[in-house]
Amino acid sequence: QKEVEQNSGPLSVPEGAIASLNCTYSDRGSQSFFWYRQYSGKSPELIMSIYSNGDKEDGRFTAQLNKASQYVSLLIRDSQPSDSATYLCAVNMRYGGSQGNLIFGKGTKLSVKP
Amino acid sequence: GAGVSQSPSNKVTEKGKDVELRCDPISGHTALYWYRQSLGQGLEFLIYFQGNSAPDKSGLPSDRFSAERTGGSVSTLTIQRTQQEDSAVYLCASSLNRLENTGELFFGEGSRLTVL
Repeated sequence: QKEVEQNSGPLSVPEGAIASLNCTYSDRGSQSFFWYRQYSGKSPELIMSIYSNGDKEDGRFTAQLNKASQYVSLLIRDSQPSDSATYLCAVNMRYGGSQGNLIFGKGTKLSVKP
Repeated sequence: GAGVSQSPSNKVTEKGKDVELRCDPISGHTALYWYRQSLGQGLEFLIYFQGNSAPDKSGLPSDRFSAERTGGSVSTLTIQRTQQEDSAVYLCASSLNRLENTGELFFGEGSRLTVL
């Protein structure tokens, strides 16, 4: 069973703090990892992708990947109320040499309090 | 428009009726995905089309669900003999699906299905 696990939250942080979102995945052969943001009533939108072990920074967002531990995280620095949304972790589950399909976690709901 | 287009945006149907949901992906995108999202839940994978390859149907929940993609572009998701548990938002997404950006999906606004 190919799975992506996230803590459903809600995760509540004060404005200006660092929000840390975590995700684990079951398929050791996975190569591509993504974070999507979904505002209430809207469709998901891609905010970060990461393919190699280590950190990848983009503005206030940092994605971290540890393939040995099958763990990927998203840090949001200087959190703003506008960051309040559900964050979905997605993993490309490759098998049989194909591109595979993208499996999503259930998402972590983040609330940033002013 | 330049984005993924889905129709209808809302569909209310009676239990036992068939429904068809349509997705028009971004021009040039070879990969097309259907997901289902129930209220407060995550995205449930349904089916994945990649170019002319056989689709990955491993997520379809029952044989009442089927999908096709004609000419490598527009896709239709069909649900036969709808049940109340089929009520959800059905999301379509497309991707260039080149190796360097696999998983970078662009989602449509979804089709909200309500089965009475």
